[in-house]
Amino acid sequence: DAGVIQSPRHEVTEMGQEVTLRCKPISGHNSLFWYRQTMMRGLELLIYFNNNVPIDDSGMPEDRFSAKMPNASFSTLKIQPSEPRDSAVYFCASSFSNEKLFFGSGTQLSVL
Amino acid sequence: EDQVTQSPEALRLQEGESSSLNCSYTVSGLRGLFWYRQDPGKGPEFLFTLYSAGEEKEKERLKATLTKKESFLHITAPKPEDSATYLCAVQAASGGSYIPTFGRGTSLIVHP
Repeated sequence: DAGVIQSPRHEVTEMGQEVTLRCKPISGHNSLFWYRQTMMRGLELLIYFNNNVPIDDSGMPEDRFSAKMPNASFSTLKIQPSEPRDSAVYFCASSFSNEKLFFGSGTQLSVL
Repeated sequence: EDQVTQSPEALRLQEGESSSLNCSYTVSGLRGLFWYRQDPGKGPEFLFTLYSAGEEKEKERLKATLTKKESFLHITAPKPEDSATYLCAVQAASGGSYIPTFGRGTSLIVHP
């Protein structure tokens, strides 16, 4: 298996632009997580899906952030409009039945 | 609210100098405690899961132990390739969602 695949690896955009991050989880996994990592706050959970259904989105900062999981093999995290304080590394992770997480390589987002 | 505190924040060792990393946690019923390793520019990679006090797991130069309040990651005779950030995460048994809460990590540098 190729593992969790995230794209793009790097994204540089200007404030106010829409940003879409993509994730393909490991086949057969039924849980998917979006995390954001910064030096100041470490790894923060943004949203958790189970069987493609959003279960906990309490970590989504505000209405500018949205996430979807239209099927078991694809998820997106969208930021609209983006702001400089959104600059961080965004990780997608998947797991089977809430056991150990498998992380993607992350998307380094820079909002200028 | 589940809390995970890791110490020290950073640790520098000479090759062969054994040491331990600490993960203290507060959780309403522990389902599992996880250790991950994160290399620069990559996502965290799973090392161990511990489920009950007294449990120990080993992998090469690493040994993880668990008590009712904390976990230790012991590194015996470390090598430069052990340099990484080590993350601890806990899953609570209550609530049913089993979302892992991560600590801020310990950045380990092993000098040759």
